[in-house]
This record gives sequence, structure tokens and C-alpha cells, in this order.
Amino acid sequence: QQQVKQSPQSLIVQKGGISIINCAYENTAFDYFPWYQQFPGKGPALLIAIRPDVSEKKEGRFTISFNKSAKQFSLHIMDSQPGDSATYFCAASSIKAAGNKLTFGGGTRVLVKP
Amino acid sequence: DVKVTQSSRYLVKRTGEKVFLECVQDMDHENMFWYRQDPGLGLRLIYFSYDVKMKEKGDIPEGYSVSREKKERFSLILESASTNQTSMYLCASIPGPNTEAFFGQGTRLTVV
Repeated sequence: QQQVKQSPQSLIVQKGGISIINCAYENTAFDYFPWYQQFPGKGPALLIAIRPDVSEKKEGRFTISFNKSAKQFSLHIMDSQPGDSATYFCAASSIKAAGNKLTFGGGTRVLVKP
Repeated sequence: DVKVTQSSRYLVKRTGEKVFLECVQDMDHENMFWYRQDPGLGLRLIYFSYDVKMKEKGDIPEGYSVSREKKERFSLILESASTNQTSMYLCASIPGPNTEAFFGQGTRLTVV
């Protein structure tokens, strides 16, 4: 049973285009929603994160949109660049959870074509 | 910079062997985690620890155990390696609740 469902599994976008990755969660106790970026041969690294008291957060070309009532959040990559080609993971955690563990989605492999 | 170091990048082990994966973090973080990464399944939590000698099962603990004798070191143990444990293993640590997780570079384990 996956508590965080992520789609699509893979995505191809032209340079300059918009990449959109969606995630849905079930546990209403989740109160922290980060996105991680992973390049081949590396561990994931934090890209951007949002808390449920805001509906949108933007950092450069990366934007998280959050819909609390629908229990969904998404990552938008604007003006996608070949250097953005990576695997992206959404995640969720709860401050009440033992160990503050992160629950991850299945990942999306993004390929940006020049 | 926070550094999480995993002892091996690649490992090849035989079925039935006992396997140790080591992870060390240098930032005095309380919480440490072991995940395995498989295509389409994302990162699945195996075990985590929120203090020395404390450990909790994650979502897929079967066939694994862990050890945390010192705050900076968290070891994953495959008691008797099987081919279905062939995977990428990632160690992570976090400084506190709902904060950034820092990952090691991963260990790609192949069990033959």
C-alpha cells in the first residue's frame, strides 16, 4: 500500500517546456511535503519543500502547488533545461511520526531534450 | 557541509552470505534511515533509528536488521542475502522533524 502515489513514471519534455509531476497522499497527518532530485550515481537531494499552510511555493524555476482538500501536490519545472534531467521524488512526513520518517512516491524520471 | 558516507558504492555478494552496509554521518543528527530504491517503487523505508541503540521497523524490514552503537554510525545487516535483495540501498540522516534529509551516495548491491 503506497501512501504517496506519484505520476507519471517518466516524462520527456523539450528544452524550454514545462514539466509537471503530480503526487497524491492518503495520510491527513502529513504536514511536510518535500521534493527530492536525484542524478545518476548520486543520492537524492532536497529541491524544494512546502507545508500545508500555503498553497504554492516558488524557488526559481521550480514551483510546488498544494491542494489540501484534494490531498494532492505537484511540482512544476518551468523553462526546463537539459540539466534538469533527473529522477524526482515527492515525499511526505508528519511531525508526529516516530523518527520523523519520510514516505516517498515512486519517482518520475524526467528527460529534457535539447 | 553535511556529509553522509556509505562504505561501498558497489557490492556483489553470494546468496546466503551475511552482508553489512555501513553509513556514517558527520553532523550529529539524531535520526538515521535505511531505504532501498527500486525502479517504479521509489524509496522504501527498511529501518530507522532516532537515538543510539534505538531502532524501529520501517515498511519492509523482513530479511534485514540494523545496528546503531554510536550516534554517527548506522549499519544495515542482511542476515542471509537473497537475490530479491539486489537493489540500491540509501542511507539518510535528518537533524530534526520536518527538515531536510541528507542522503549518502548509495550502495548498489547485487546478490548472485
